[in-house]
Amino acid sequence: DTGVSQDPRHKITKRGQNVTFRCDPISEHNRLYWYRQTLGQGPEFLTYFQNEAQLEKSRLLSDRFSAERPKGSFSTLEIQRTEQGDSAMYLCASTASRDTQYFGPGTRLTVL
Amino acid sequence: AQRVTQPEKLLSVFKGAPVELKCNYSYSGSPELFWYVQYSRQRLQLLLRHISRESIKGFTADLNKGETSFHLKKPFAQEEDSAMYYCALSIDTDKLIFGTGTRLQVFP
Repeated sequence: DTGVSQDPRHKITKRGQNVTFRCDPISEHNRLYWYRQTLGQGPEFLTYFQNEAQLEKSRLLSDRFSAERPKGSFSTLEIQRTEQGDSAMYLCASTASRDTQYFGPGTRLTVL
Repeated sequence: AQRVTQPEKLLSVFKGAPVELKCNYSYSGSPELFWYVQYSRQRLQLLLRHISRESIKGFTADLNKGETSFHLKKPFAQEEDSAMYYCALSIDTDKLIFGTGTRLQVFP
């Protein structure tokens, strides 16, 4: 499968714990995006990388959130001190410049 | 602010009936608009984009800048069209701004 992959697919954690998600984009895609989707809503933009540089962050991304894309390949999204409001589906997408965004299957986070 | 509005949460039709899923946007620049679809237990995938002017699976969408709309249409719905449909607007760094989605149910 050469599509975008995300790991884990599901994560259940207790409030206050830290979690980290991973996204592996389609190889040779230089742009990588993170979105968050809550129940009944469409995906909302969180942050964007071009190669290893994080070029834009949404106001939705509080200080507890951090994302990295070392070496311009896979990306990680970490949430520190999770809150119940962080429960959502976290989606990753990748694209070559100005082309179609291809989405991963998502990581569903449940914060108890 | 940029916004995409999909007024219908649910649209139910019978097989063979015409379908129109509404999408309106607000953006002062030159928009690039998309329809994404999510079938049950599958990932979000591109259905069509306005610049390609293609018809995919019998669906078409025309950008109407005067009405700021990008409605998705199909003349004869099929049961396999049942899915969640999201209209999206691309701006600046190609980030997507999505609407809240419309669930299409096609009954036999």
